[in-house]
Amino acid sequence: AQSVTQLDSHVSVSEGTPVLLRCNYSSSYSPSLFWYVQHPNKGLQLLLKYTSAATLVKGINGFEAEFKKSETSFHLTKPSAHMSDAAEYFCVVSRIGTYKYIFGTGTRLKVLA
Amino acid sequence: EAGVAQSPRYKIIEKRQSVAFWCNPISGHATLYWYQQILGQGPKLLIQFQNNGVVDDSQLPKDRFSAERLKGVDSTLKIQPAKLEDSAVYLCASSLDRADTQYFGPGTRLTVL
Repeated sequence: AQSVTQLDSHVSVSEGTPVLLRCNYSSSYSPSLFWYVQHPNKGLQLLLKYTSAATLVKGINGFEAEFKKSETSFHLTKPSAHMSDAAEYFCVVSRIGTYKYIFGTGTRLKVLA
Repeated sequence: EAGVAQSPRYKIIEKRQSVAFWCNPISGHATLYWYQQILGQGPKLLIQFQNNGVVDDSQLPKDRFSAERLKGVDSTLKIQPAKLEDSAVYLCASSLDRADTQYFGPGTRLTVL
């Protein structure tokens, strides 16, 4: 069965410092993986997706994620945090066959001035 | 390209009342999803439509929740009667087809008093 684990429920960084949001997945097959961001009172916005092409995936707003099969990880990074990055981030794995989304529990990112 | 539209954005009702939410997916998207997101949790799939047919409603509490997509475009989700534990954000998403990336609307925040 597929699952996804977001290792941190809360992350705080200072503006201008790097961001690392951790996600581990469990899947018997090569999965499709996504990162979505949710700003307060807004819907989910797709940041980036991995679908078995390049292992380093670049997304919007300077975010990127690296698929590491050996570590079953798909961590989200950004070199320099901006105040507008403060939001909830969800790692998602798409179930093989049904394509059903399985969401992680979310990581709330706080950016300090 | 217009995104997924939802209305209303906010709704407050008393328990045992009924409520309905509306969703208009991205034009041309065959697959439509309704999710329930309880505060502090990731979204949970309630029902998935492929055109006007139901693909998955295994997590829909059918004694009180119903949904339809009669013409394969717009969809409505109804709760009757509402319970306190139904307080949540209800998200609608759509995708070109089942295996494609899902795009989310802004959600409807329901408060049941």
